Amino acid sequence: EAGVVQSPRYKIIEKKQPVAFWCNPISGHNTLYWYLQNLGQGPELLIRYENEEAVDDSQLPKDRFSAERLKGVDSTLKIQPAELGDSAVYLCASSSNPPIAGGNNEQFFGPGTRLTVL
Amino acid sequence: DAKTTQPPSMDCAEGRAANLPCNHSTISGNEYVYWYRQIHSQGPQYIIHGLKNNETNEMASLIITEDRKSSTLILPHATLRDTAVYYCISYQTGANNLFFGTGTRLTVIP
Repeated sequence: EAGVVQSPRYKIIEKKQPVAFWCNPISGHNTLYWYLQNLGQGPELLIRYENEEAVDDSQLPKDRFSAERLKGVDSTLKIQPAELGDSAVYLCASSSNPPIAGGNNEQFFGPGTRLTVL
Repeated sequence: DAKTTQPPSMDCAEGRAANLPCNHSTISGNEYVYWYRQIHSQGPQYIIHGLKNNETNEMASLIITEDRKSSTLILPHATLRDTAVYYCISYQTGANNLFFGTGTRLTVIP
């Protein structure tokens, strides 16, 4: 079974340029997450989707970040314009169920996209 | 979600058991303890989770103290491939998200 697929794996851009990251979750997984991971830190949630609906985007900097999950399958995260501080790894994860009490809320992560803003 | 505290780094000899501690003294009754690990240049990987009872699977064992204020993840026979950052997360039932801290960097030494 294929895991979570992300592309590109690496991206180098100059500040003020736009950038987009793509994620294809595990087939059948309705819940999709985008995380940001700074060097030496754990991942931090940016946005969570249930199917095509963004149900938690409270940590997404909406002035420059946007995301979409058309048709409730793959997803795109965009930054426009990018700033130096956006250099980080952007992780996508998926799970088969929304977070429920008592359930195994195991999330499956992709390898991430490492963004460098110059 | 309760805050968890982990040592920043640990070493373990190859073939020996790796015991990774986690303190979650403010954990509430409906919060699970989840463990993930992240190998260099990869995304985090789920290991195990538990509420009150000790748990074991093919990867590891999770020992939770009776008062639930701390837990230990045990890798019974550490290999070089177990070198990674290990995250202990307290997860509130019905909550939406996992909150990763900075984890413990485990280095398995040949």
